[in-house]
Amino acid sequence: GEDVEQSLFLSVREGDSSVINCTYTDSSSTYLYWYKQEPGAGLQLLTYIFSNMDMKQDQRLTVLLNKKDKHLSLRIADTQTGDSAIYFCAEKGNFGNEKLTFGTGTRLTIIP
Amino acid sequence: DGGITQSPKYLFRKEGQNVTLSCEQNLNHDAMYWYRQDPGQGLRLIYYSQIVNDFQKGDIAEGYSVSREKKESFPLTVTSAQKNPTAFYLCASSNFGDYNSPLHFGNGTRLTVT
Repeated sequence: GEDVEQSLFLSVREGDSSVINCTYTDSSSTYLYWYKQEPGAGLQLLTYIFSNMDMKQDQRLTVLLNKKDKHLSLRIADTQTGDSAIYFCAEKGNFGNEKLTFGTGTRLTIIP
Repeated sequence: DGGITQSPKYLFRKEGQNVTLSCEQNLNHDAMYWYRQDPGQGLRLIYYSQIVNDFQKGDIAEGYSVSREKKESFPLTVTSAQKNPTAFYLCASSNFGDYNSPLHFGNGTRLTVT
């Protein structure tokens, strides 16, 4: 089945850029998503990218997709304390259903 | 405001008891999902439903049951057959057939079984 992998932890100094990486195995992925989860809450969609794009920028967020290597990254510029959360990468395949496969999540900690 | 409501936020049960987690949405979404979240394991799909009166097993359906009698509601029952039920449970919904429709999540229910 499909598999999505992420590092479990990342620590970044306030004001620096954070880069969260994700690799996936499903070559038929159509959409890839980044979700943010704050403590004790559900997941909020941050951004998504269609598989025929290689970059998408939205304010402080930049998503890069390398389809050949099946590698997705999320860059957060000027990281703030409010960015502390768990970030999940997810992919949607092309099998005619709506299921997403999620990564393990990366816990981002901001160092003051 | 439209959204997904999960209740209760915290639930405590004794081992051997069945328990039902509530999920209601007013987004008029066709599809609804239940995920389980454990530390370091990400989200795993338990059940999903694309239309009323129909649902499919996800990756870890054993020990769980669902119903979808109304479009707005998708309750999850954790039965006594579930070997390790303590976890954070997340309900989500999306528009089936709208291919770029992302999942919208509720705020979760934390179930503790002792």
